[in-house]
Amino acid sequence: QQQVKQSPQSLIVQKGGISIINCAYENTAFDYFPWYQQFPGKGPALLIAIRPDVSEKKEGRFTISFNKSAKQFSLHIMDSQPGDSATYFCAASSSWAGKSTFGDGTTLTVKP
Amino acid sequence: SAVISQKPSRDICQRGTSLTIQCQVDSQVTMMFWYRQQPGQSLTLIATANQGSEATYESGFVIDKFPISRPNLTFSTLTVSNMSPEDSSIYLCSVRDLTSADYNEQFFGPGTRLTVL
Repeated sequence: QQQVKQSPQSLIVQKGGISIINCAYENTAFDYFPWYQQFPGKGPALLIAIRPDVSEKKEGRFTISFNKSAKQFSLHIMDSQPGDSATYFCAASSSWAGKSTFGDGTTLTVKP
Repeated sequence: SAVISQKPSRDICQRGTSLTIQCQVDSQVTMMFWYRQQPGQSLTLIATANQGSEATYESGFVIDKFPISRPNLTFSTLTVSNMSPEDSSIYLCSVRDLTSADYNEQFFGPGTRLTVL
């Protein structure tokens, strides 16, 4: 049973555009929702994360929007750049359980 | 954030042999995990490495195939035993420190790329 569903599987955006990746979760015990960025040949790196007590968190060009009632959250990348081309994973975890559940990943390509 | 190193970074192995992957963290952490990531796929948790006791394995993974050690709070090893081509993958060490201010954050090592011929 997949507990975190991520879409789309791949995304192509023009430079300067907005990239949007969506995730939905099932387990209401989750209380921490991070996004990871992974470049080829590298391990995933924590990009930004949110807790369910806020609806939005912004760090630079990256914003997480969170909808607790719909059990959905999304990553928005503003002014997308070719250097943002990578695979993005959403995840969910609970404070009392150590492990995270990951989405299937989205391969983002930003065209110059 | 924790800095994680893995050895080896990559290896090519023959079918039937075993490979031990090392994970070293620059600070003490409460939780260490081992993941597998097949090409173009998501992260699959193999097991949680427990200090001083047997690892906790996820469904589909067994100790005989993936023995894990964790002798202290900064080091762990994962062995891939009796390898077959299906074991070709990237193996990732990950940590989470429940005692730190950012206790929810999970960090990953650079990975070990394994190819089995």
